Amino acid sequence: EDQVTQSPEALRLQEGESSSLNCSYTVSGLRGLFWYRQDPGKGPEFLFTLYSAGEEKEKERLKATLTKKESFLHITAPKPEDSATYLCAVSSGNTPLVFGKGTRLSVIA
Amino acid sequence: ETGVTQTPRHLVMGMTNKKSLKCEQHLGHNAMYWYKQSAKKPLELMFVYNFKEQTENNSVPSRFSPECPNSSHLFLHLHTLQPEDSALYLCTSSLGTSVRNNEQFFGPGTRLTVL
Repeated sequence: EDQVTQSPEALRLQEGESSSLNCSYTVSGLRGLFWYRQDPGKGPEFLFTLYSAGEEKEKERLKATLTKKESFLHITAPKPEDSATYLCAVSSGNTPLVFGKGTRLSVIA
Repeated sequence: ETGVTQTPRHLVMGMTNKKSLKCEQHLGHNAMYWYKQSAKKPLELMFVYNFKEQTENNSVPSRFSPECPNSSHLFLHLHTLQPEDSALYLCTSSLGTSVRNNEQFFGPGTRLTVL
């Protein structure tokens, strides 16, 4: 059974304090790993898809990386507007996504 | 605006009521999904439709009944729900269901409270 574990559960950063969120996964053949951002009271918003180990993608202050066992979402010099819950999900082929519980990020000015 | 709309945004119902959630996507996608999001738990997949055909039913109780009349519309009919069914119900759509085209676009969700 595919499993996704995200850590930490919650993270509090000062504005400008860079850090990383972790997504560890166990799947029977990873076909894709997805990162989403969710603001309170809203549906998740797509950020990145990673398909193979070694792949990296960037968007503004966010950079996602992938290894054979985990993915990291690096946040460089975060701002208060980066505060949200970040969700990780995996796909092991033609199956629906399996999501982690998310990391709740708070960036304090 | 994500291109996926859901109505109503909030719903309060008693355990004996019958209500329906509606989802509409304007993205030209072929697959639509229902997820349940409860506090402190991962998103739980409920149903998947691809080209109007149900392809996944993730052991969902029969008090939840989906309907997909076409690729743009998805409904979730609710009856005799329990308080533990209170959650955020999210609708998503994707171009397809294979790994290279199952990037999912989420609607804003319906916050359901069962009294």
